[in-house]
Amino acid sequence: DAGVIQSPRHEVTEMGQEVTLRCKLISGHNSLFWYRQTMMRGLELLIYFNNNVPIDDSGMPEDRFSAKMPNASFSTLKIQPSEPRDSAVYFCASSLGTGDSNIQYFGAGTRLSVL
Amino acid sequence: GNSVTQMEGPVTLSEEAFLTINCTYTATGYPSLFWYVQYPGEGLQLLLKATKADDKGSNKGFEATYRKETTSFHLEKGSVQVSDSAVYFCALIGQAGTALIFGKGTTLSVSS
Repeated sequence: DAGVIQSPRHEVTEMGQEVTLRCKLISGHNSLFWYRQTMMRGLELLIYFNNNVPIDDSGMPEDRFSAKMPNASFSTLKIQPSEPRDSAVYFCASSLGTGDSNIQYFGAGTRLSVL
Repeated sequence: GNSVTQMEGPVTLSEEAFLTINCTYTATGYPSLFWYVQYPGEGLQLLLKATKADDKGSNKGFEATYRKETTSFHLEKGSVQVSDSAVYFCALIGQAGTALIFGKGTTLSVSS
């Protein structure tokens, strides 16, 4: 089975531009997590979905960030407008369910640089 | 709130040396504990986990024991290899939680 697939792997953009990150879940998984990794703050949860419904978005930095699950196997994270402080590696992860016994499988990440 | 503290890196070892990476946590109740590994340019992979006190997780020669009394989950390996060079993350999911809470990560560098 293919793992979690993220695209693009690298994104370089200019401040003010819109950025869209994409994630394809593992087939059959119903929980989706977006994390952000920076040197200063480490790995932080941005938002997670269960059965396509956003459950906890308290980690989303501000209104410039939005995430959607248009269907059960795909999610997008959009930043509009982007700022240099958004530069980070963004990971998505999927799992069979929620709770502590459900292993989260991570994609390879998208490295975003906002100039 | 829940949190995870890992020893600062980087950790630099010679091949076949013994490895310990310390991890302690703060959480109410009985969290589940995890070690994830991130190889250069890749995403995180689950290395091992333990879901209750005194459980020992093990995989690929790595071990960690869930110690409730010391709120610790230290990662150990008896003989490291160059291929173990990576960043190691300790993490937990709280008893009522869903998302992983990560430590800052420890970079391990093994030389031959």
